[in-house]
Amino acid sequence: RKEVEQDPGPFNVPEGATVAFNCTYSNSASQSFFWYRQDCRKEPKLLMSVYSSGNEDGRFTAQLNRASQYISLLIRDSKLSDSATYLCVVRRSSASKIIFGSGTRLSIRP
Amino acid sequence: DVKVTQSSRYLVKRTGEKVFLECVQDMDHENMFWYRQDPGLGLRLIYFSYDVKMKEKGDIPEGYSVSREKKERFSLILESASTNQTSMYLCASSPSKPTDYSPLHFGNGTRLTVT
Repeated sequence: RKEVEQDPGPFNVPEGATVAFNCTYSNSASQSFFWYRQDCRKEPKLLMSVYSSGNEDGRFTAQLNRASQYISLLIRDSKLSDSATYLCVVRRSSASKIIFGSGTRLSIRP
Repeated sequence: DVKVTQSSRYLVKRTGEKVFLECVQDMDHENMFWYRQDPGLGLRLIYFSYDVKMKEKGDIPEGYSVSREKKERFSLILESASTNQTSMYLCASSPSKPTDYSPLHFGNGTRLTVT
């Protein structure tokens, strides 16, 4: 079983829809959590950090549930430009222990 | 804004060649990383450095070495390139203060093809 698991998708949704992804992690020693987006053939870029109390950045909302060991990303009013792969990233006990999920592909159709 | 610069976007090398991939960051970050990314396998850590001249093997160090002589520069070396090292290589950096748990900032990647 992978330490960080994501549904690979693809999620194919119409413009304007709300879409949500979950990511589960297995190591309870995980300390910090992030969502990255990656466009085709480009580098991953930080979308947002995920805080214990949940946080929002415009149309994007991230939640952390430590008891159930998952994080989520909600995208409201989706735009064509949101089409990308979304990577869940978990960082734990030492600086080098950074675990990437394999990503969820999102495709927004007009 | 953090800037992580990788010296080449695309490289084509022959089997057996020694290959140097260079990465420079301008934010005085202590931690630097080299990953490779392959379809279906995701990002895999090759090497990590937490300070000048300090390094730690990642998950797949075989066939690679690294050099960190200056804080801002982290080099990945393929001692004798092989076709199975054809991949996208990503350098990243992060600060260690106030916490080691800050996000990574990536360079724009080097797509290496070994023929």
